[in-house]
Amino acid sequence: DTAVSQTPKYLVTQMGNDKSIKCEQNLGHDTMYWYKQDSKKFLKIMFSYNNKELIINETVPNRFSPKSPDKAHLNLHINSLELGDSAVYFCASSPLAGSGYTFGSGTRLTVV
Amino acid sequence: GESVGLHLPTLSVQEGDNSIINCAYSNSASDYFIWYKQESGKGPQFIIDIRSNMDKRQGQRVTVLLNKTVKHLSLQIAATQPGDSAVYFCAERGGGGNKLTFGTGTQLKVEL
Repeated sequence: DTAVSQTPKYLVTQMGNDKSIKCEQNLGHDTMYWYKQDSKKFLKIMFSYNNKELIINETVPNRFSPKSPDKAHLNLHINSLELGDSAVYFCASSPLAGSGYTFGSGTRLTVV
Repeated sequence: GESVGLHLPTLSVQEGDNSIINCAYSNSASDYFIWYKQESGKGPQFIIDIRSNMDKRQGQRVTVLLNKTVKHLSLQIAATQPGDSAVYFCAERGGGGNKLTFGTGTQLKVEL
């Protein structure tokens, strides 16, 4: 069983499109996160939810909208995709906010 | 060998040698630190953590050292193996914070 699973693993799309990435964790953790990793491997937090409530919303364009239907799921919807959105997006979860994360395997988004 | 993990430098070591990966952090209020290993095409994986009330912690073949005076963290890997080849990240949590902030990573290459 995969602890934190993301779909899709790869996503290639044209500029201007709208796309979603899904994340599910079966660890029973209360907190989930989205991180963006750029081409230089830098990991930057985007959002965090604790038990379905948004607790972190870093400076991210409004085109990015997270949704947590329950504490085991955190999805990321991106509107009007731009070239600069190309990156690897990682979902993670932790038992408590700010404690050791378990990461998913990432979604490589390529905007052309 | 040693490196400073600020600009994704590359640390090359011979198989069987010890590796030292360094990390500088900026938040004197950080109370919790973690080292992650990221292999190609995968998400970061937890290696070892340390709380700010400690200065050393050992795991299997790995040791983390924390020097709060100079805000410096290091990861020592004993008898480095080819499977240790990866990008290594340090992460810190601000005091009472609810997220981890990652350093820029160090690429470790193990030469046979």
